[in-house]
Amino acid sequence: GENVEQHPSTLSVQEGDSAVIKCTYSDSASNYFPWYKQELGKRPQLIIDIRSNVGEKKDQRIAVTLNKTAKHFSLHITETQPEDSAVYFCAASLGGSQGNLIFGKGTKLSVKP
Amino acid sequence: DAGITQSPRHKVTETGTPVTLRCHQTENHRYMYWYRQDPGHGLRLIHYSYGVKDTDKGEVSDGYSVSRSKTEDFLLTLESATSSQTSVYFCAIRSAGAGETQYFGPGTRLLVL
Repeated sequence: GENVEQHPSTLSVQEGDSAVIKCTYSDSASNYFPWYKQELGKRPQLIIDIRSNVGEKKDQRIAVTLNKTAKHFSLHITETQPEDSAVYFCAASLGGSQGNLIFGKGTKLSVKP
Repeated sequence: DAGITQSPRHKVTETGTPVTLRCHQTENHRYMYWYRQDPGHGLRLIHYSYGVKDTDKGEVSDGYSVSRSKTEDFLLTLESATSSQTSVYFCAIRSAGAGETQYFGPGTRLLVL
């Protein structure tokens, strides 16, 4: 079946540094790629998303890039802060489905003060 | 929070007993989803609904059934709970006119002894 691979599974950075999380997907029909942030004990929250007709999207300190040819997309967080510490999930839409998403296994980001 | 509630929020039950989890939404979203979240597995789709009485299986549907008799409620039933169904269950919604963006409910933590 289709899948999404996410790396790394854990990431530790110093406050102020940048963090990059990478995902690859298998379904060539995927055209929507959201990123979710989940704090401990909370629900996943959408932080940014990108559609296949766009190569890059930014929202303040967060950016996402998409390479459809290589089937990978990445989350970039600049000037990290302790409150960025959380688990981040990437996802890709499944072609031909009812808008279903397939998720990566998550990256636990720790930002050290 | 997209007007999504889940009940109960926590439940402890014994192996072999039936369990029903409820997802309730107040904003008339067409699509509703049930996911389970387990360490190392990310979010996995159990079942989804694309309208009243319209449901379909997801990636990990064995041992689960769903029903949607009205737009606002999507029920997930474990006919005979097993320890392997101990997990955190999230409901999500998506509006037909909002692309593929899914928003999550607060989650239900289920422990099967």
